Amino acid sequence: AQTVTQSQPEMSVQEAETVTLSCTYDTSESDYYLFWYKQPPSRQMILVIRQEAYKQQNATENRFSVNFQKAAKSFSLKISDSQLGDAAMYFCAYRSLAGGTSYGKLTFGQGTILTVHP
Amino acid sequence: DTEVTQTPKHLVMGMTNKKSLKCEQHMGHRAMYWYKQKAKKPPELMFVYSYEKLSINESVPSRFSPECPNSSLLNLHLHALQPEDSALYLCASSHVVRGRRNQPQHFGDGTRLSIL
Repeated sequence: AQTVTQSQPEMSVQEAETVTLSCTYDTSESDYYLFWYKQPPSRQMILVIRQEAYKQQNATENRFSVNFQKAAKSFSLKISDSQLGDAAMYFCAYRSLAGGTSYGKLTFGQGTILTVHP
Repeated sequence: DTEVTQTPKHLVMGMTNKKSLKCEQHMGHRAMYWYKQKAKKPPELMFVYSYEKLSINESVPSRFSPECPNSSLLNLHLHALQPEDSALYLCASSHVVRGRRNQPQHFGDGTRLSIL
């Protein structure tokens, strides 16, 4: 079974600064997907960024980028130019491709609460 | 605005009550999910439906009964719940596309359930 570990229960950053959230995972599979989801107090889980394990290039989405180190099983999220609206709980998630379906179970980390100071 | 709509947003019920949670999406997604989330914890998968058929049941107690009456609607019927079932219940949906395996899940705002 896969496990996902987020070692930082809480992080804080000043507005306009950069912050990196850590995520490591354990798997014996070679092909899988990784995601970062954001959950603000409004409760909705919002997809921030995704990475296919077979792609060496790190994914980027505007101010959000990842550092994917497959050999180290590490998948960190970097938020540049932090904004007050980035304050939320961030979850790293793993999706196995066993079974060959395009849907399936997400295994989440424990989450990191990000506070953004003005 | 969320594309996955969940109702009600809040629900308080007694342990002997019967109630239902509803989830609706009109994105053409054919996979739908129920998750349970305790405060400051990650979501835990409960059920997955694919093409209106139950494909994953994560050993959920029978007091939770899912139903997928059509491709847009997912219900979760509740009966004889326990206080420990108090949580946020999230619904999600995603495409099922042959040959395109990375279909992210889109979540609703959830129903906050309190069992008295």
